[in-house]
Amino acid sequence: AQSVSQHNHHVILSEAASLELGCNYSYGGTVNLFWYVQYPGQHLQLLLKYFSGDPLVKGIKGFEAEFIKSKFSFNLRKPSVQWSDTAEYFCAVLTFTGANNLFFGTGTRLTVIP
Amino acid sequence: DAMVIQNPRYQVTQFGKPVTLSCSQTLNHNVMYWYQQKSSQAPKLLFHYYDKDFNNEADTPDNFQSRRPNTSFCFLDIRSPGLGDAAMYLCATSREPTGYYEQYFGPGTRLTVT
Repeated sequence: AQSVSQHNHHVILSEAASLELGCNYSYGGTVNLFWYVQYPGQHLQLLLKYFSGDPLVKGIKGFEAEFIKSKFSFNLRKPSVQWSDTAEYFCAVLTFTGANNLFFGTGTRLTVIP
Repeated sequence: DAMVIQNPRYQVTQFGKPVTLSCSQTLNHNVMYWYQQKSSQAPKLLFHYYDKDFNNEADTPDNFQSRRPNTSFCFLDIRSPGLGDAAMYLCATSREPTGYYEQYFGPGTRLTVT
């Protein structure tokens, strides 16, 4: 069965620090990859996505992620975080085995200290 | 300009008392999804509608049912809620049921079972 692992459950950073959140998935076939963000009290929003092409994808608010197929990874990065980046971040994988079923990781809570 | 609306945001029900959660969308998308997210866990797909076609995930309990009377609305019915059904329930939509179409999420309904 497909699974998505986010090893960091809670990350605490100071403003201007660099961020990297890990995401690994287990599925041998074609996948689409996503990072969603959930700000406190708000709904899940798409941060960025990878379908094909350049494995380095850029999203909103200065975030980027790199798809490394050989490592089954899709890590999220940001060079300099801001207090407003405090949120929960979810990695998700979409396989093509039937329905449009997004498999989510358990999420990483990011707290940015001013 | 909310696109996926869920009502109510918070719902309290009693053990065994049927409850219905509501989702509506202004995107005119063909697909509507229901996810269950328990505390500190990943959102998990329960089922989805592609137009009027209902697609149940294999491990979704029979206690959970869904209705989609028209394109805009979709309901989640829990026939006999147990304490283990307390969770956040997320509704999402996408234009088509393939991996190339982004899913848009509502804010969720937090269900408490007493």
